[in-house]
Amino acid sequence: GENVEQHPSTLSVQEGDSAVIKCTYSDSASNYFPWYKQELGKRPQLIIDIRSNVGEKKDQRIAVTLNKTAKHFSLHITETQPEDSAVYFCAAKEGSQGNLIFGKGTKLSVKP
Amino acid sequence: SQTIHQWPATLVQPVGSPLSLECTVEGTSNPNLYWYRQAAGRGLQLLFYSVGIGQISSEVPQNLSASRPQDRQFILSSKKLLLSDSGFYLCAWSVGLDQPQHFGDGTRLSIL
Repeated sequence: GENVEQHPSTLSVQEGDSAVIKCTYSDSASNYFPWYKQELGKRPQLIIDIRSNVGEKKDQRIAVTLNKTAKHFSLHITETQPEDSAVYFCAAKEGSQGNLIFGKGTKLSVKP
Repeated sequence: SQTIHQWPATLVQPVGSPLSLECTVEGTSNPNLYWYRQAAGRGLQLLFYSVGIGQISSEVPQNLSASRPQDRQFILSSKKLLLSDSGFYLCAWSVGLDQPQHFGDGTRLSIL
């Protein structure tokens, strides 16, 4: 089955710097890759997603890149702000019809 | 617009007691429904999912069960809770297996 590895587990950056979180997946049939942000004690919220027919997607300060050959995808946050501090989860859909398999999360801290 | 309701928000139960957590979705028909558990500081583990009334798939063997008595209602149950059942339980919905999942606010379950 699908296996999703996420790195790093913790990430600390200064306000205004960029943050990059990377995930690898094992199932070459996976075709959907969402990213979620979870603030302490709150629900995970979808922030961006990408499908396998696209290499990059951007939404304001957030972007996701996908390398199908290498089976990895990354979240890029530019001009980080303290409110970006949260735990970020990547996920990959298992096969073409399966469920989401989540990474273990990255705790991002943005220092003012 | 679609909304998802989950209750209760917090629950403290003794070991061996029964459990019933409820989740309802509004504003959509025939959604896919999911139950996840998140242990403290950990990722999201899929417990059950349902693609229709009375259709339940279990992802991991455990002390819990799920039911879908109505199109937009998903219930997580246990006859006798274990200490290991403690965690943050999240319900989610999507319009299809390859569509974004949207999470409820979760139930924080503590077993004493």
